[in-house]
Amino acid sequence: LAKTTQPISMDSYEGQEVNITCSHNNIATNDYITWYQQFPSQGPRFIIQGYKTKVTNEVASLFIPADRKSSTLSLPRVSLSDTAVYYCLVGDNNDMRFGAGTRLTVKP
Amino acid sequence: NAGVTQTPKFQVLKTGQSMTLQCAQDMNHNSMYWYRQDPGMGLRLIYYSASEGTTDKGEVPNGYNVSRLNKREFSLRLESAAPSQTSVYFCASSEALQGRYTQYFGPGTRLTVL
Repeated sequence: LAKTTQPISMDSYEGQEVNITCSHNNIATNDYITWYQQFPSQGPRFIIQGYKTKVTNEVASLFIPADRKSSTLSLPRVSLSDTAVYYCLVGDNNDMRFGAGTRLTVKP
Repeated sequence: NAGVTQTPKFQVLKTGQSMTLQCAQDMNHNSMYWYRQDPGMGLRLIYYSASEGTTDKGEVPNGYNVSRLNKREFSLRLESAAPSQTSVYFCASSEALQGRYTQYFGPGTRLTVL
């Protein structure tokens, strides 16, 4: 199981770009990198997933360097409603583990 | 299309009581999961089921049993509840596409054991 390390918390202001980095030094060849968002009292929600280079969707971008030992979730122009916990998961099977996540607080 | 549904939403038990948490998904996914989340913590995997008829232990299986009743339903049973099992329980389902697992979560069951 690939272990992931993320910052415990981050603060930002409305309108700024936020980058959250996840380290996964022992990522395996077949592993995908997936990010989830969780609001209080709700289940996590899928944000974005990738294997290498860059992936972009309507919500976020995911940057993965060539060695794949880390990944960066980029949230453009955050708003107050982006305040949540963000989790990085790495794996290619059913037994993937959530870490403690990164608590992002967006301030006005 | 309701996604993943869980019942009940809230439950209070006394130590030693038993109960079953129900989960159902309507996305025709093969894989289903049970997690628990303690206050201020990340989610911990209790059990998962890769397909109908199969179940596997996750990170914290002790004190729990599961049943994959059919493709849609995956239940979690506490045979003798303990205060340490006070937590929020999330059920999830996913489909695997060439190693890509994207999980869809239910709204959770908030369980208190007195």
